[in-house]
Amino acid sequence: AQSVTQPDIHITVSEGASLELRCNYSYGATPYLFWYVQSPGQGLQLLLKYFSGDTLVQGIKGFEAEFKRSQSSFNLRKPSVHWSDAAEYFCARGTASKLTFGTGTRLQVTL
Amino acid sequence: SQTIHQWPATLVQPVGSPLSLECTVEGTSNPNLYWYRQAAGRGLQLLFYSVGIGQISSEVPQNLSASRPQDRQFILSSKKLLLSDSGFYLCAWSSGGSGANVLTFGAGSRLTVL
Repeated sequence: AQSVTQPDIHITVSEGASLELRCNYSYGATPYLFWYVQSPGQGLQLLLKYFSGDTLVQGIKGFEAEFKRSQSSFNLRKPSVHWSDAAEYFCARGTASKLTFGTGTRLQVTL
Repeated sequence: SQTIHQWPATLVQPVGSPLSLECTVEGTSNPNLYWYRQAAGRGLQLLFYSVGIGQISSEVPQNLSASRPQDRQFILSSKKLLLSDSGFYLCAWSSGGSGANVLTFGAGSRLTVL
């Protein structure tokens, strides 16, 4: 079965530091890939998506992600983290009518 | 613009009691509708999805059921809740049937079964 792996359960970074959250997907012909963010007790908000074309995609809130087919990865990055970025981040893969999510990475930001 | 409503936001129920969570979407027609459950440390698990009225696909055998009585209404139910049904339930919608469609989520319903 096609799956999504987020190897880091919890990451702590200092405000102003750079951030990279890892995401790997299982092999598939045409990966539709997404990153969502969830603030505590809230629903999920779409940060960015990749369908095809340029492998570096820009999203909201200063986030970007790079699709690397050779590594089956779609890592999320931000050059300088703000305290308000503390949340849980989910990578997801779209197939047919559904999204399959990774288990999430909780980001803590220290001041 | 499209909006998604989900209620109740919080629910505390005894074991063995029934459950009904409701989700409605406004501003679109014939959406795909989804129920996900989020349990601590387990990410989001797809429970049910629907591509049309009366069409329900179940992803995981469980104590829950779903119904879609109207085009933009999706209901999650249980006849008898188990402790393991506790979690955060999220409804979502999308506009089409391919993997490229973006899901938009409701604010979630926190269920605690005691």
